[in-house]
Amino acid sequence: QKEVEQDPGPLSVPEGAIVSLNCTYSNSAFQYFMWYRQYSRKGPELLMYTYSSGNKEDGRFTAQVDKSSKYISLFIRDSQPSDSATYLCAMSSGTYKYIFGTGTRLKVLA
Amino acid sequence: GAVVSQHPSRVICKSGTSVKIECRSLDFQATTMFWYRQFPKKSLMLMATSNEGSKATYEQGVEKDKFLINHASLTLSTLTVTSAHPEDSSFYICSARAGGAYNEQFFGPGTRLTVL
Repeated sequence: QKEVEQDPGPLSVPEGAIVSLNCTYSNSAFQYFMWYRQYSRKGPELLMYTYSSGNKEDGRFTAQVDKSSKYISLFIRDSQPSDSATYLCAMSSGTYKYIFGTGTRLKVLA
Repeated sequence: GAVVSQHPSRVICKSGTSVKIECRSLDFQATTMFWYRQFPKKSLMLMATSNEGSKATYEQGVEKDKFLINHASLTLSTLTVTSAHPEDSSFYICSARAGGAYNEQFFGPGTRLTVL
């Protein structure tokens, strides 16, 4: 079993839809949870981070962490074509080492 | 702030040659830099952790003699792929740690290496 599982997609949605992206994990030591956006042939860009369980909102983005279920989510409201990218979840137990999911390719159709 | 650059962005080389990739933190000092490798439609895999002034720490399965890492200053780390082969073709991404409660890493734009 991989430490972090993420559906690779691709996920296609119409413009304006609410997008739900998810990751599951197996290591209960993970405390820090990040979501990155990566455009084609570019480096990852940090979107959201959450420490431990709970929700965090930033504009159209909401990150949720459920440590009891070992499940994290990223919601994108009012999705735009410019949101089309690969979304990577990443986790850390507090050390330098990040464990990444495989990424979910999202396409928002105009 | 917290910008990380990489050079070159793309490189094509012949099999057997060596290629050097630079990673720079432009507006902060990075005591630790990281090198990742990403295959198409795959996750980022940590190759090594580079600390300024000391030897790099390599992840299991990464050949330290093939992937030479030097972290000579607080703003520069280099990855040299020695005697490159076609299977080394990949997207190489560096990141730099700027400190902070959760050890946030800032990522560079990546370098696409193609070995013919």
